This record gives sequence, structure tokens and C-alpha cells, in this order.
Amino acid sequence: SQTIHQWPATLVQPVGSPLSLECTVEGTSNPNLYWYRQAAGRGLQLLFYSVGIGQISSEVPQNLSASRPQDRQFILSSKKLLLSDSGFYLCAWSVLSLRTSGIYNEQFFGPGTRLTVL
Amino acid sequence: RKEVEQDPGPFNVPEGATVAFNCTYSNSASQSFFWYRQDCRKEPKLLMSVYSSGNEDGRFTAQLNRASQYISLLIRDSKLSDSATYLCVVNMGWKSNYQLIWGAGTKLIIKP
Repeated sequence: SQTIHQWPATLVQPVGSPLSLECTVEGTSNPNLYWYRQAAGRGLQLLFYSVGIGQISSEVPQNLSASRPQDRQFILSSKKLLLSDSGFYLCAWSVLSLRTSGIYNEQFFGPGTRLTVL
Repeated sequence: RKEVEQDPGPFNVPEGATVAFNCTYSNSASQSFFWYRQDCRKEPKLLMSVYSSGNEDGRFTAQLNRASQYISLLIRDSKLSDSATYLCVVNMGWKSNYQLIWGAGTKLIIKP
């Protein structure tokens, strides 16, 4: 079965400090990988997604970046954190499947990292 | 207009009752639909995918109305453990098969 790991679970960082969050997936090959952020009481905002090693699509221009150095590893980084970067960061994986109703893309999430920037 | 709209609630429902949520979406090209549940301070978890003909999983029934662009979720015989936020999710259709659009969620509180 597939599992997805994220660490750390919680993080408190000062403004202007760097950030590195890591996500790894087990039990599947060539997954699609995603980074989301969820602000308190809000919906999920897609930050980046990747369909393969070295392939990153950015959805929201900001001071964050993502990399996929290995098939099942996805990293979210920042050189200098802002107060507005605080939130709940979630990594997810998916594999597209074709069904009668269309192409489905169920996404499965890691436990998340709760980041507070002070 | 939001791309996916949900009533934020909270819905306060007695245990054993039936509760229904609706969700509307704006992108007529969307072709896949989902309900997720999210417990407080936890990650979202897939509850069920929603298919054109509607589908059922135990106490949960999902319906899709493409003409009116809405999705529904019905929970029968609600349990205390059903208390959570329910997220309506649709894909972007032809724009991207990889990207999903997330509603902000409907909070459900089941009371004993």
C-alpha cells in the first residue's frame, strides 16, 4: 500500500529565515506530487505540482520554490520567509485513472506541516 | 463568483439524523468530482469520488447534476464520528487533469 511522509509536523521560524519541507512517497512509481497551503479557516491553495522528476509547475508566484530531485521526493523551499507564509502545508500524491465518467485524479495527503512565521 | 461554493455551516445535527450538503461549481468543463473530509488540524482524507450516475458507500450517497453544476452528499444515520469539515472538490477539466479546485468546506457537528 502507498504511504506518504512529511516532516516536520510543526515548525516555528523567524521572518527572513530559510525553509525546507520534505515529502516522500512509498509504494507507488511516478506519482504526481503536489504542495498545498491551507490558511486558518480557508480552503486549500495549490502551490506547486510535479508530474515527473525535475518537472515543476507553479501556480502562485511568491517567495516559495519546489524541487523534485527523485521520483518519490518533493521538497518545498524558501530563501526568506514572510509572515504571510504561515499556514498548514500539505503534500499529496496522485495517479490519473480513466473511468467511464472521465479522468479521475484522487489525491492522497501526508499529515502536513504546521508552519508559524514570527 | 467562487469556482467551488459550499455553505460553510456549521450544521448542527442530532445523532442518527440525515444530513445533506450541496456544492456548486462554475467550470462546466470539470469532469471529475470528489468529497473529502477533514478533521480539525488534520489532513483532508478522500471520502468518495462522485460519478455521473451517482454512487453510494454505506451511509454516504453522492449525486452529480452536470446540467445545474452541483454535487450533493447525503449522510444517513449520522454518527458522532461524522463530525468534521466536508470539502467539495472538482477538477479543472480540459485546462488540466492534474489540478483540483477545492471548496472551503462545510462544517458538520453531530450532537448526542
